[in-house]
Amino acid sequence: RKEVEQDPGPFNVPEGATVAFNCTYSNSASQSFFWYRQDCRKEPKLLMSVYSSGNEDGRFTAQLNRASQYISLLIRDSKLSDSATYLCGGGGGSNYKLTFGKGTLLTVNP
Amino acid sequence: DGGITQSPKYLFRKEGQNVTLSCEQNLNHDAMYWYRQDPGQGLRLIYYSQIVNDFQKGDIAEGYSVSREKKESFPLTVTSAQKNPTAFYLCASSYGPEAFFGQGTRLTVV
Repeated sequence: RKEVEQDPGPFNVPEGATVAFNCTYSNSASQSFFWYRQDCRKEPKLLMSVYSSGNEDGRFTAQLNRASQYISLLIRDSKLSDSATYLCGGGGGSNYKLTFGKGTLLTVNP
Repeated sequence: DGGITQSPKYLFRKEGQNVTLSCEQNLNHDAMYWYRQDPGQGLRLIYYSQIVNDFQKGDIAEGYSVSREKKESFPLTVTSAQKNPTAFYLCASSYGPEAFFGQGTRLTVV
């Protein structure tokens, strides 16, 4: 079983829509979780860290459920510029190993 | 400017040749990582290093080798034993839990 599993997508949504991405992780020792955004043929860039208490940054909300080993990202009022691949990642703990899901491609249409 | 530098950006290799990809960081980060990304796929962990002179295999280490002689540098060698080396290779580093990526090297076997 992969350490991080992610909704395969792709997601095609109209501007203004709300879209949710989900990931599950198998290693209960993982300490830290993240969402990264990757534009076509570019490197991933950190979008948000994910905390048990949840965190919000403008239109973006990330949640972590340790009991279910589940993380999520919600994008509200999606913009054309949100079109990208979204990757969830997790790791940390004693061995620093950091692994990622396969990514979900989001296309926001006018 | 602080950051992670990967070179070269594009690399072409003949079948049967070894090739080394460079990754340098001036962020004073302890941990460094190498990932491989194939089209439409997520990031697969090749090797990672928590500290100088120490590194661990990731999920797809076969056909690759690394060294970590200096904190700033974590070169990856793609050996002739790697059967499908054509891919986008990404290096990352981290101090705390969050990782930051270089711009990547696109390796093509010709």
